[in-house]
Amino acid sequence: GQQLNQSPQSMFIQEGEDVSMNCTSSSIFNTWLWYKQDPGEGPVLLIALYKAGELTSNGRLTAQFGITRKDSFLNISASIPSDVGIYFCAGLFRGQNFVFGPGTRLSVLP
Amino acid sequence: NAGVTQTPKFQVLKTGQSMTLQCAQDMNHEYMSWYRQDPGMGLRLIHYSVGAGITDQGEVPNGYNVSRSTTEDFPLRLLSAAPSQTSVYFCASTKSPGLAEIYEQYFGPGTRLTVT
Repeated sequence: GQQLNQSPQSMFIQEGEDVSMNCTSSSIFNTWLWYKQDPGEGPVLLIALYKAGELTSNGRLTAQFGITRKDSFLNISASIPSDVGIYFCAGLFRGQNFVFGPGTRLSVLP
Repeated sequence: NAGVTQTPKFQVLKTGQSMTLQCAQDMNHEYMSWYRQDPGMGLRLIHYSVGAGITDQGEVPNGYNVSRSTTEDFPLRLLSAAPSQTSVYFCASTKSPGLAEIYEQYFGPGTRLTVT
C-alpha cells in the first residue's frame, strides 16, 4: 500500500529554536496535510497544501508542497513549549482517503 | 456544536469478546472514517463511508465491521476481539472529500482499547 516516511522520528530542541521536518513518499500525492497531535487527543489539522510548489503559512508554521509531489516540509519558527507533540503528514490517496506518516515527536526544552 | 464524539474513552476486553465503538458528528459531514493508531505507525485507515448507506474498506479492515444508517453515526464493531486489536481508535469526519479545498478532517478524542 501507500507509505509515507517522516524524518526525523523525534527531536529535542531548545525553546526559541526553529524546527524543520519532512515527509517523503515513493508515490505522487495531489494534496498534503500536516497535523499535530497532543497527548491523549486526536490529531488537529495545521496546514493543507493543494499545489506542487505551494508554500503556506499558519502563524509560526510554514509548510511546502514539494515540486516532485512526493514530499512536503514543515517548519516551525521560534518554538514554544506548547509546540510539543507529534506532527503527522498525510497525503490524499484516490481523491478521498488519507495516508498518514509515522509522525515526528517534538520535545521543547525550556 | 460538539464536533466528533467517541465513546467509550477507555475499554478493556477479553479475547473473543465483541463490542461496538461509537462515533457521532453533528457537522452534517458526508465522509466519516475509522483509524487505528499504533506506536511508530501513524494512523491506518480501517473503514470509511462517503455517505449514509455506503461503506468501504480501508487499509486494515480485517476483524472490524461498520455500518452507516444515518449521516451522524458511524459505529465500529469488533466481532471477536484479539490482542492484535489493542490500539487507540480514532473516528474522523470531513465535509466532502473529492472537492478541492474541503479536506479539513476533524478527529474525535479517541478510544483506548486493550484486549487481554
